[in-house]
Amino acid sequence: GENVEQHPSTLSVQEGDSAVIKCTYSDSASNYFPWYKQELGKRPQLIIDIRSNVGEKKDQRIAVTLNKTAKHFSLHITETQPEDSAVYFCAASINTGGFKTIFGAGTRLFVKA
Amino acid sequence: EAQVTQNPRYLITVTGKKLTVTCSQNMNHEYMSWYRQDPGLGLRQIYYSMNVEVTDKGDVPEGYKVSRKEKRNFPLILESPSPNQTSLYFCASSFSSNQPQHFGDGTRLSIL
Repeated sequence: GENVEQHPSTLSVQEGDSAVIKCTYSDSASNYFPWYKQELGKRPQLIIDIRSNVGEKKDQRIAVTLNKTAKHFSLHITETQPEDSAVYFCAASINTGGFKTIFGAGTRLFVKA
Repeated sequence: EAQVTQNPRYLITVTGKKLTVTCSQNMNHEYMSWYRQDPGLGLRQIYYSMNVEVTDKGDVPEGYKVSRKEKRNFPLILESPSPNQTSLYFCASSFSSNQPQHFGDGTRLSIL
């Protein structure tokens, strides 16, 4: 069935360093790839998204890249700050046999001051 | 204020006692979903709805029911709850399946 794999499950970086989280998806018909940030005890909130007709998108310190051939997309956070510490989820919108949204298992990011 | 509202926020109940978690959105969104969040498993979609009277199964629909009689409301029904349905539940809505989803604050269910 459809699947989204996310790595790593935990990531620890020093403040100011970059962080990269990677996801792969199984359904080649997927066409929308959002990233959500969930702080402790809070709801997930969208931080950036990308569609299948775009290879890269950037918003200040956050960027997402998409490789449709490899069915792979990544989140890049530069100049990390302690407030970036949270759980990050990637997701893929599946449009075959329905309109499901499949999430990765999440990456817990720790930014050490 | 644009929001997704879930109730209750917390519930402790016993096996077999029917319960309903309500979800309401005020953004005129067509797409609504229910997810459960369990440690190490991320968010798993239970059911989703493309519009009024249109619902479909997500990845983990067993033991759950939903209905979409009005555009703004999407209740989650557990007819006979069991302990393996103890989890954190999120309702979400968006204009379509290919648009950012807005999440509610979550409902923590404990089934004893």
